[in-house]
Amino acid sequence: AQSVTQPDIHITVSEGASLELRCNYSYGATPYLFWYVQSPGQGLQLLLKYFSGDTLVQGIKGFEAEFKRSQSSFNLRKPSVHWSDAAEYFCAAARGNYGGSQGNLIFGKGTKLSVKP
Amino acid sequence: NAGVTQTPKFQVLKTGQSMTLQCAQDMNHNSMYWYRQDPGMGLRLIYYSASEGTTDKGEVPNGYNVSRLNKREFSLRLESAAPSQTSVYFCASSENRGPGRPQHFGDGTRLSIL
Repeated sequence: AQSVTQPDIHITVSEGASLELRCNYSYGATPYLFWYVQSPGQGLQLLLKYFSGDTLVQGIKGFEAEFKRSQSSFNLRKPSVHWSDAAEYFCAAARGNYGGSQGNLIFGKGTKLSVKP
Repeated sequence: NAGVTQTPKFQVLKTGQSMTLQCAQDMNHNSMYWYRQDPGMGLRLIYYSASEGTTDKGEVPNGYNVSRLNKREFSLRLESAAPSQTSVYFCASSENRGPGRPQHFGDGTRLSIL
């Protein structure tokens, strides 16, 4: 079955420190991959997406993610975390076909990020 | 620039009551979705509508019905609410169902069923 796994439920980092959030996927072929962020009481906002090409993709708010086919991973990174980055982060995947159910997103269970001053 | 608007933002129901959650988007998107979010479960798709006039079941459709009223509006109905349906419900839309079209989310409806 297709799945997205985020191994870390909760991560705490100090402000100014670097961040890496892990995401692994299980699909028959390389899916389309996304990272979303959810601030408390808010909906989800798209940070970045990977479809093909360069394996390092840049997103909003200074985030980037690296796709590694050999590891079935799509980890999210930020060089220096700000207090405003405290939120929950979701990795998601979808197959490439238009129509049918394969275009729907499958979400990981999320990683909550806390930032220490 | 409203994007995806959900109403109400909060609601408390008693077991057995019915309710309709409303969603409207102003981005002229073809596709719309309803998700539920539960602690530690991520988001799970309830129903989706690839285009006006069509609806399909997602991962967890039981106990829900939907209506794609027009291109802008997609409602979710609970006919007989159960405590297991206590959740945060999100509506989303996208330009097309293809994965190249990221989904845009509303701020959610927090629903408690007693």
